Amino acid sequence: AQTVTQSQPEMSVQEAETVTLSCTYDTSESDYYLFWYKQPPSRQMILVIRQEAYKQQNATENRFSVNFQKAAKSFSLKISDSQLGDAAMYFCAYRSAISNDMRFGAGTRLTVKP
Amino acid sequence: DTGVSQDPRHKITKRGQNVTFRCDPISEHNRLYWYRQTLGQGPEFLTYFQNEAQLEKSRLLSDRFSAERPKGSFSTLEIQRTEQGDSAMYLCASSPGTGGWETQYFGPGTRLLVL
Repeated sequence: AQTVTQSQPEMSVQEAETVTLSCTYDTSESDYYLFWYKQPPSRQMILVIRQEAYKQQNATENRFSVNFQKAAKSFSLKISDSQLGDAAMYFCAYRSAISNDMRFGAGTRLTVKP
Repeated sequence: DTGVSQDPRHKITKRGQNVTFRCDPISEHNRLYWYRQTLGQGPEFLTYFQNEAQLEKSRLLSDRFSAERPKGSFSTLEIQRTEQGDSAMYLCASSPGTGGWETQYFGPGTRLLVL
């Protein structure tokens, strides 16, 4: 079964600085999708960025980018120029191309210090 | 596009009571998912619908849980004879049938507290 591990329960970053959140996953499949979702306190989960496993190029969305290392089964999220509004729980998620469930990590709580 | 909506947002019930939650997916999304999220954890998959057909169910979905999507639009999740262990956030998500099918968009959730 596929598992997703986020080894950093909490992270902290100074406003305007850069932070990287780690995620590793375990799968025997070759075709899948990876996601980072953001869940602000008491608010709904929002998609931050996604990556198709068949694409070698790392996905970017404005200040958010990923470092996708397929062989190492690693999928880290880099947030540049951190803003106060980036403070939230961040979940890494895996979705197989042949299954309909999405597997989530336990999350990393990001604090942004002014 | 008004996003995924869920109702109610909060529910407090006594152990042994039945509860029902509703999810309205994004218009024209024919895929719908239910997840459960306990405090401090990531969401866990419960079940999946494609149109009105329930195609996947997790082992987490005990026989006290039932989900329906009768007309392929909104969905309901019912929990019978609630237990304190059912206390959690219940999340609904939807995705398109074809282009972009792999990306799920989440609703705000229904937070259930069983006393």
